[in-house]
Amino acid sequence: KAGVTQTPRYLIKTRGQQVTLSCSPISGHRSVSWYQQTPGQGLQFLFEYFSETQRNKGNFPGRFSGRQFSNSRSEMNVSTLELGDSALYLCASSLASGGAGWGVGPRYGYTFGSGTRLTVV
Amino acid sequence: AQKITQTQPGMFVQEKEAVTLDCTYDTSDPSYGLFWYKQPSSGEMIFLIYQGSYDQQNATEGRYSLNFQKARKSANLVISASQLGDSAMYFCAMREEDTGRRALTFGSGTRLQVQP
Repeated sequence: KAGVTQTPRYLIKTRGQQVTLSCSPISGHRSVSWYQQTPGQGLQFLFEYFSETQRNKGNFPGRFSGRQFSNSRSEMNVSTLELGDSALYLCASSLASGGAGWGVGPRYGYTFGSGTRLTVV
Repeated sequence: AQKITQTQPGMFVQEKEAVTLDCTYDTSDPSYGLFWYKQPSSGEMIFLIYQGSYDQQNATEGRYSLNFQKARKSANLVISASQLGDSAMYFCAMREEDTGRRALTFGSGTRLQVQP
């Protein structure tokens, strides 16, 4: 079956611009999470969506936002880009349920996409 | 407090030898899951192995095994018979099942280089 698809793979933007990244999860997965990876901060959780609702949010400014569509595809948007937003943005999908807990076991783990490398100049 | 600690920034191993990558974690949640991921230079995070906090046996997946010592809060990854293709970054991650915080917490990673 098809994996998690992220587009575009590479992106170069100018400070002050905004950007939209896309993520298509594995068919049947309704949970989509986003992570930012930088050399300095490592991998940090941005937010998670389930059934078009944001279920959890990491410690990022309001410039970072996202949404999920009825087909579970998700987009994240970064407005007023800063140089520090340069990073690899990873999307992950999961079979996780809509409840507070996840469901125990690797079946409820995450499958990641190849990421979008964003460079802000 | 850091929840996932990987103390080895880089490791070298000879091809065909075994290597252990260390991971310690901190949580007060009795129910949690521990994951190991491999990240080659292409960027994709590849799932390797999972250990649940209530699992009685150490997890194994092919050449990967997880040395889970719950009392010591450690979850070390063991790669047997290393191959050149194993050269990559390796991340340990944890998900706390009961907090409702629906997210993975990652360690800082270990860069493994397999030498011929």
